[in-house]
Amino acid sequence: KNQVEQSPQSLIILEGKNCTLQCNYTVSPFSNLRWYKQDTGRGPVSLTIMTFSENTKSNGRYTATLDADTKQSSLHITASQLSDSASYICVVSRQAAGNKLTFGGGTRVLVKP
Amino acid sequence: DTEVTQTPKHLVMGMTNKKSLKCEQHMGHRAMYWYKQKAKKPPELMFVYSYEKLSINESVPSRFSPECPNSSLLNLHLHALQPEDSALYLCASSYPGQGPGAFFGQGTRLTVV
Repeated sequence: KNQVEQSPQSLIILEGKNCTLQCNYTVSPFSNLRWYKQDTGRGPVSLTIMTFSENTKSNGRYTATLDADTKQSSLHITASQLSDSASYICVVSRQAAGNKLTFGGGTRVLVKP
Repeated sequence: DTEVTQTPKHLVMGMTNKKSLKCEQHMGHRAMYWYKQKAKKPPELMFVYSYEKLSINESVPSRFSPECPNSSLLNLHLHALQPEDSALYLCASSYPGQGPGAFFGQGTRLTVV
């Protein structure tokens, strides 16, 4: 069964600290993996996209890693800011059925001053 | 222009009303998508249009009627909705075969009363 599992479900961190979010997937055949940031009531905004051959991708203070062998990805947030408070969603695209996306349940991050 | 624009941002409608959600992109994407997202849940795919033809309908009730008048526009016609249809409706676009890509609209917050 094609699934994407994220952990933790929620996270509280202090401003300026780092944190790492996890994503495990069983989607096959794999096409690509994306991390999105979604503010409450707004559409998801893409942070990174990685294909099978890429194992790390950065976007400012966000760094994503991918281990295609173990089917795991992580999103590391460096020096967190209050504006990082949002849901972070891991999404895996499958090479079939029009590259249908499978969404993880998201990790809700709250950055406190 | 790298945006997917959705209108309106908010919509309140009665169960006997007829309304439409609109989505527009000018990135040359030929695949467009409608998603429904309930609070604290990941988006759920509703419809996919590829080259202005409906390619995927995820068993959506007929009170939701999609329309793709041209390659830049996507509409979602609403009629006789139920209160449980209240949600954030997201539009996305991509090149066909690549999944929704990185481009989601900001969503329409729909409330059915």
